[in-house]
Amino acid sequence: DGGITQSPKYLFRKEGQNVTLSCEQNLNHDAMYWYRQDPGQGLRLIYYSQIVNDFQKGDIAEGYSVSREKKESFPLTVTSAQKNPTAFYLCASKRDNSYEQYFGPGTRLTVT
Amino acid sequence: AQSVSQHNHHVILSEAASLELGCNYSYGGTVNLFWYVQYPGQHLQLLLKYFSGDPLVKGIKGFEAEFIKSKFSFNLRKPSVQWSDTAEYFCAVKDGNNRKLIWGLGTSLAVNP
Repeated sequence: DGGITQSPKYLFRKEGQNVTLSCEQNLNHDAMYWYRQDPGQGLRLIYYSQIVNDFQKGDIAEGYSVSREKKESFPLTVTSAQKNPTAFYLCASKRDNSYEQYFGPGTRLTVT
Repeated sequence: AQSVSQHNHHVILSEAASLELGCNYSYGGTVNLFWYVQYPGQHLQLLLKYFSGDPLVKGIKGFEAEFIKSKFSFNLRKPSVQWSDTAEYFCAVKDGNNRKLIWGLGTSLAVNP
C-alpha cells in the first residue's frame, strides 16, 4: 500500500521534554510538509522540504525543528521552546510537478 | 499576503438539504484552487481542484465547485447532502510561483439524519 504513515497516533509528554514525530512516505514524492491543526484555526505550515537535505520554515516554525536526510522521511521535533505544543500534527507530501498534497493520518500530541 | 476566507465556520443541515460553502481568496493573479475534506477519524483528502479550463469542477461524492474569477471565489456545492457528508471542509489556494498552499480556517459540517 502506498501512502504516508505517521506514528504514533497519540503521544503524551511532560512539559520541558523534546519529542519527535515520525513521518514516512513510500510515494516517491519529492516535497514533504508539516502542518499543525488546532480547532478553528485551519492548517498552519510549520516546515516544508522540497528535496533531501533542504527544508524551509513555514509560518509557525518557532519551537520546532526538522531534518530531511532521506527522501521518504521527514521527522518533526517539537522542542521545549514551543509554548503551546499540544495539537494535532499532520504530515503531507506531493510530487514535484503536482500541486496536490497527500496527507498522513496525523499525530495528536498532548503535553502536560 | 495571500489569504483565504471561509465564511461559514459551522454548518448544520438536514439530510437532502442543499449545501454551499463559501471560499474567497485575495490573490489577483493565476491561482490553483482546492477543496479538501476531513471525515471523522480519517485522513485529510482532496475533494476537488481547479487549475484551468471549465470553471465548474466536479469532485468526488457529488460535490462540485465553481471558480468565479471576478469574485475571487471558489464555493463548494452539493445539491443534496447525506449524513455521511458530516466532516470538516477546507479551502486552499496556491498562487503563482508560491510553493505553499494557503489554507482557510475550515468549515465544520454536521448533517442530521
